Amino acid sequence: QKEVEQNSGPLSVPEGAIASLNCTYSDRGSQSFFWYRQYSGKSPELIMFIYSNGDKEDGRFTAQLNKASQYVSLLIRDSQPSDSATYLCAVNRLAAGNKLTFGGGTRVLVKP
Amino acid sequence: DGGITQSPKYLFRKEGQNVTLSCEQNLNHDAMYWYRQDPGQGLRLIYYSQIVNDFQKGDIAEGYSVSREKKESFPLTVTSAQKNPTAFYLCASSIMASGRITDTQYFGPGTRLTVL
Repeated sequence: QKEVEQNSGPLSVPEGAIASLNCTYSDRGSQSFFWYRQYSGKSPELIMFIYSNGDKEDGRFTAQLNKASQYVSLLIRDSQPSDSATYLCAVNRLAAGNKLTFGGGTRVLVKP
Repeated sequence: DGGITQSPKYLFRKEGQNVTLSCEQNLNHDAMYWYRQDPGQGLRLIYYSQIVNDFQKGDIAEGYSVSREKKESFPLTVTSAQKNPTAFYLCASSIMASGRITDTQYFGPGTRLTVL
């Protein structure tokens, strides 16, 4: 079992719809969770992080964390063609030296 | 401008050669990291450093070496012992080495290495 798993996609979403991305992790000691967006050929850029159970909203993005189910998700509301990218989930555990473990990423395609 | 710079953007290496990738940051971050990304894959940690003159192996350190002589700089050498070095290499930094669970890593633009 991979430490951090994501559906590779592509996730095809009509413009204006909600894109829902999922990420599961295996280490129950994981403490914080990060979502990065990566355009093709570019480096990852941080979207948001979450460390408490529940929802966290930042503009059109909402992260949802359920530690009991070892599950973190990212919702993109009012999806735009510019949201077409690969979304990487990363998990941090302080006891592991503050290292991030990344999932393989989910490719999102927003169609006009 | 504050940020993380990596050079070169593209690098071509002949088999048997060592090459060094540069990573510099002016964010006054304590920790620096090197990742490798293969096509369609996530990031895998090569080496990281939480303080000057100290560094630790990540998950795939074999065939790589690093140094941390200055806080701002964390160069990565890809040695001839690395059998499959063609990949996208990403350097990252974070403000605090430890103790804060929301410590965020920020990435440089990356170096794309191709072995000829």
